[in-house]
Amino acid sequence: KAGVTQTPRYLIKTRGQQVTLSCSPISGHRSVSWYQQTPGQGLQFLFEYFSETQRNKGNFPGRFSGRQFSNSRSEMNVSTLELGDSALYLCASSLAAGELFFGEGSRLTVL
Amino acid sequence: GESVGLHLPTLSVQEGDNSIINCAYSNSASDYFIWYKQESGKGPQFIIDIRSNMDKRQGQRVTVLLNKTVKHLSLQIAATQPGDSAVYFCAEREDNQGGKLIFGQGTELSVKP
Repeated sequence: KAGVTQTPRYLIKTRGQQVTLSCSPISGHRSVSWYQQTPGQGLQFLFEYFSETQRNKGNFPGRFSGRQFSNSRSEMNVSTLELGDSALYLCASSLAAGELFFGEGSRLTVL
Repeated sequence: GESVGLHLPTLSVQEGDNSIINCAYSNSASDYFIWYKQESGKGPQFIIDIRSNMDKRQGQRVTVLLNKTVKHLSLQIAATQPGDSAVYFCAEREDNQGGKLIFGQGTELSVKP
């Protein structure tokens, strides 16, 4: 069974640009959650989508958004990038309320 | 706000010894706790979980202990191996919060051969 797949793995952007990250969950998993990981703040919850609806949201500004498609694949978008947005963005999928399986992450560098 | 924190940021043990990684949590509404292992360049990997109606759960070479009275969680690794070297995170979740986990800061475990 394939795991959680995130693309791209690495990307470099400049301040003011926007970025879209993609996540394909494990087959059959309908919940997709996104996390930001930085050395200073650790792992922080961004948002969760279940059946194309945002079910939970963390404390991030509106520049961070996401969506989920009917096949459970999810994307997150960050607009007007800031230097502080440099981080590892992790996606996790799960069945309704079970164990979270994480992908390898997308490492974003903002210059 | 509520948070989950770790007592020790680094832990160094000898191969073959037992390791104990501790975690304090503050949200009494949390009813599900998880330990993750993260190796360099990889995403967090599930190790073991425990629900609040239990105080101990064992897996293969790992045991999680939950003390709700003092809001403390620990991960015990038996016969620690070099492959156990990684950063370990505890995380908590409130009931009905789905994929919303609150993570601790992490403890780096280093196993000396």
